[in-house]
Amino acid sequence: GAVVSQHPSRVICKSGTSVKIECRSLDFQATTMFWYRQFPKQSLMLMATSNEGSKATYEQGVEKDKFLINHASLTLSTLTVTSAHPEDSSFYICSAGSALGDIQYFGAGTRLSVL
Amino acid sequence: DAKTTQPNSMESNEEEPVHLPCNHSTISGTDYIHWYRQLPSQGPEYVIHGLTSNVNNRMASLAIAEDRKSSTLILHRATLRDAAVYYCILRFNFGNEKLTFGTGTRLTIIP
Repeated sequence: GAVVSQHPSRVICKSGTSVKIECRSLDFQATTMFWYRQFPKQSLMLMATSNEGSKATYEQGVEKDKFLINHASLTLSTLTVTSAHPEDSSFYICSAGSALGDIQYFGAGTRLSVL
Repeated sequence: DAKTTQPNSMESNEEEPVHLPCNHSTISGTDYIHWYRQLPSQGPEYVIHGLTSNVNNRMASLAIAEDRKSSTLILHRATLRDAAVYYCILRFNFGNEKLTFGTGTRLTIIP
């Protein structure tokens, strides 16, 4: 099946720094990708929809200036957590849809720990 | 979005079949029933989806009630690697619609 690669798998950073997470569709083109956040023992919460060549659509309550999304090509979307703080520590997961849009393929996730 | 209701947790013995229920009484005519699962510390993975008829693939079977208000994911012979959180999600199937995750069912497999 289609593969979505997410990098890095784990990152530890100091408070106030910015962290970039990459999400690549390896064998298919994805005009739309999704970014989720998951806190321990909780379900996935959609943060934003990343659209190739246009601005991302953010869910209510998600700060667009804090979570910058860039979808510059049909195979790459990036999420940058700017000025990270300990409360941003979480498991971030991206996904991309199949050509038909009926199946979502997920990355392995990025565990962010902000000290 | 139409909601789904799943038990918080279930246990099953290894090598036995598992039936994971999902209620979706407010399902609309254009909603497909999707199942994803999430193994510990990993991103979710697609399991199966269907509209009205029962579906089978190499991972599982999906049994859909005639009125579509409930469905059951069937793992025919559970292994330890099937221990995961299973999510039942209703979604329009085209146009890259987002997935809205509920709390899912945490499946524990007993050796």
